[in-house]
Amino acid sequence: QKEVEQDPGPLSVPEGAIVSLNCTYSNSAFQYFMWYRQYSRKGPELLMYTYSSGNKEDGRFTAQVDKSSKYISLFIRDSQPSDSATYLCAMSGGGSYIPTFGRGTSLIVHP
Amino acid sequence: GAGVSQSPRYKVAKRGQDVALRCDPISGHVSLFWYQQALGQGPEFLTYFQNEAQLDKSGLPSDRFFAERPEGSVSTLKIQRTQQEDSAVYLCASSLVVGEPYFGPGTRLLVL
Repeated sequence: QKEVEQDPGPLSVPEGAIVSLNCTYSNSAFQYFMWYRQYSRKGPELLMYTYSSGNKEDGRFTAQVDKSSKYISLFIRDSQPSDSATYLCAMSGGGSYIPTFGRGTSLIVHP
Repeated sequence: GAGVSQSPRYKVAKRGQDVALRCDPISGHVSLFWYQQALGQGPEFLTYFQNEAQLDKSGLPSDRFFAERPEGSVSTLKIQRTQQEDSAVYLCASSLVVGEPYFGPGTRLLVL
């Protein structure tokens, strides 16, 4: 079992839908949590960076961390076709700043 | 200023050839990471530098892989005697000591 589990999808939603993307993890020492967006043939682009538990909002994006359940989520409101990409979760902690990544979820937002 | 840059963007190598991949981190970023990404997978950690010190190289898959950052800025990942299984995208990221890593566009390596 990998340290970070993420459903690869694809997840297909209509334009305007609320999207929920999730990751689970096994290492309770993780404290820093990141979400990246990766378009085809591009490098990962940082979307959200949070420390410890709680919520963080940035525009249409909300990141949630539930450390008690070892579960993190990224919500995208009013999804757009331009949001179609692979979303990667990553996390670090326990004395290490080296992020461990999930395999990514492919999101398709159709008009 | 500019983000993380990597060169070359694409590299085709014949099996057995040596390759060198370059990463220019964001100015002032102390930490530098190398990752390998296979098609349809998430990035897998290779090695980590803090300034010029290579603090973790546990992810390097074999002794054919070597990385350096001699002056604490630009880093080079070298792969000797390339094999077909080395074909992947090689990603570089940089960050402050504690902070979110920013990635470059990657180098796509194809070994024939």
